[in-house]
Amino acid sequence: EVQLLESGGALVQPGGSLRLSCAASGFTFSNYAMSWVRQAPGKGLEWVSAISGSGGKTYYADSVEGRLTISRDNSKNTLFLQMNSLRAEDTAVYYCAKVLGPYYDSGGYYSYFDYWGQGMLVTVSS
Amino acid sequence: SSELTQDPAVSVALGQTVRITCQGDSLRNYYASWYQQKPGQAPVLVIYGKNNRPSGIPDRFSGSGSENTASLTITGAQAEDEADYYCNSRDSSGNHLGWVFGGGTKLTVL
Repeated sequence: EVQLLESGGALVQPGGSLRLSCAASGFTFSNYAMSWVRQAPGKGLEWVSAISGSGGKTYYADSVEGRLTISRDNSKNTLFLQMNSLRAEDTAVYYCAKVLGPYYDSGGYYSYFDYWGQGMLVTVSS
Repeated sequence: SSELTQDPAVSVALGQTVRITCQGDSLRNYYASWYQQKPGQAPVLVIYGKNNRPSGIPDRFSGSGSENTASLTITGAQAEDEADYYCNSRDSSGNHLGWVFGGGTKLTVL
């Protein structure tokens, strides 16, 4: 059974730093890209960042580029999100998600998030 | 980066059919995936690719798409289908490579 368990959420002051972790089990972690998705209170889902299975490629949303850094430790089956220079607008529930794809089917590509963690609240406030 | 647009809210009578739509330029190159989210819970994948359902998702859920529009159809909506639904696709606009979500559609089952 695939399980993703986030940890590290906290209340932090603006300008502060935080490191989120996501412990994975039930699949061969290094074979899959992983991603972080967040949801501000009462708002929709926002893709934040993703990393390839090897860790050699990383991707970021424009809103977090330069402040958040995604990484992984395949020996420990763990995904990380280092969050620096935090702002009030970073307040959200952060989910880690397992990524599948891209695949090709009948003229189109697709990539999707097949498993999600339970989510973890990060609050940025003074 | 690209954007995906969804209607904020849709309602359907119990047992009837409802279609939730998603529009965006990224859908010209990538199929959408769809996620169901109930209050206080993590999102759950319901449709991916051209029209594929993960194990455990009822066959009343189906997906379709054309040009820059993707649709999620629930045929014979049940009370337990009341939830927020989000579309998502890969995004490769300009120099940006990532993923993008729609704003979400709140489905009410009457």
